[in-house]
Amino acid sequence: QVHLVQSGAEAKKPGASVKVSCQASGDTLTRLGISWMRQAPGQGLEWMGWISGYSGNTNSAEKFQGRLTMDTDTSTNIAYMELRSLRSDDTAVYYCASSCLRANCLTNYLDPWGQGTLVTVSS
Amino acid sequence: EILMTQAPATLSVFPGERVTLSCRASQSVSNNLAWYQQRPGQAPRLLIYGASTRATGISARFSGSGSGTVFTLTISSLQSEDFAVYYCQQYNKWPPITFGQGTRLEIK
Repeated sequence: QVHLVQSGAEAKKPGASVKVSCQASGDTLTRLGISWMRQAPGQGLEWMGWISGYSGNTNSAEKFQGRLTMDTDTSTNIAYMELRSLRSDDTAVYYCASSCLRANCLTNYLDPWGQGTLVTVSS
Repeated sequence: EILMTQAPATLSVFPGERVTLSCRASQSVSNNLAWYQQRPGQAPRLLIYGASTRATGISARFSGSGSGTVFTLTISSLQSEDFAVYYCQQYNKWPPITFGQGTRLEIK
C-alpha cells in the first residue's frame, strides 16, 4: 500500500522558488504516476501537473507552464515539484497524490494523497 | 478544459439524514469521475472512482451514481465524521484534471 510523505512548510519571498518533495513508500516510484495539486486558503483544489515515475513524462496545467518543474529520483523514491517566480497568490497547501502511470490514462483518480505542504509567499 | 460544477456550495443537514450531492460536467466524462472527502485540516481522501466504485476501506454508506454529465454522491445516515467538504473530479480528458468547487456539508 502506497504512502506519501511530503516535506515541511516553507516561507518564501515573492520572486523566489520553492521545491516540495514527496517521499513514496510501499511501492517503487517507477510503478507510480504522481500528480501535484494545490489549495489556496479557503478555496478548492487545483490540479497543477503530473509526472510518470516510469518514463519521466510530464503534463501540466497551462497556467503553470514555464514556472513548474516536476521530476523524480527513483534511487530515493522521491518526487519533486518546483514552482518558480512565486507570487503572493501562490500561497497555498501543495499536495502530491498517486496518479496513473501513463499519459492520458483513464484511471487518473488520485489515491492516496500526501499530507500537504504549506507554502507561504510574503514579503 | 472540462468544467465541473457542484451544487449547492453548502448543505445543512441533521445527523442521521440521507443526503445527495450533485456534480455536473460541461461535457461527457463517461464514468471517469471520482469523489473525494476533505475534513478540516486534512488532505482529501478518495471515496469513489469510476463514478460508482467505492475505494478501499470506504463505508457502504457512501454510494455514487451517474454517467456522462450528471453524477451524484449519496451518503446514507450521516455520521458526525461525514461533515466535511466533498469534491468531484473528472479524469476522462486530461490534461487538465479538473475538480468541482466543492460542497460543504454542515450540521444543522
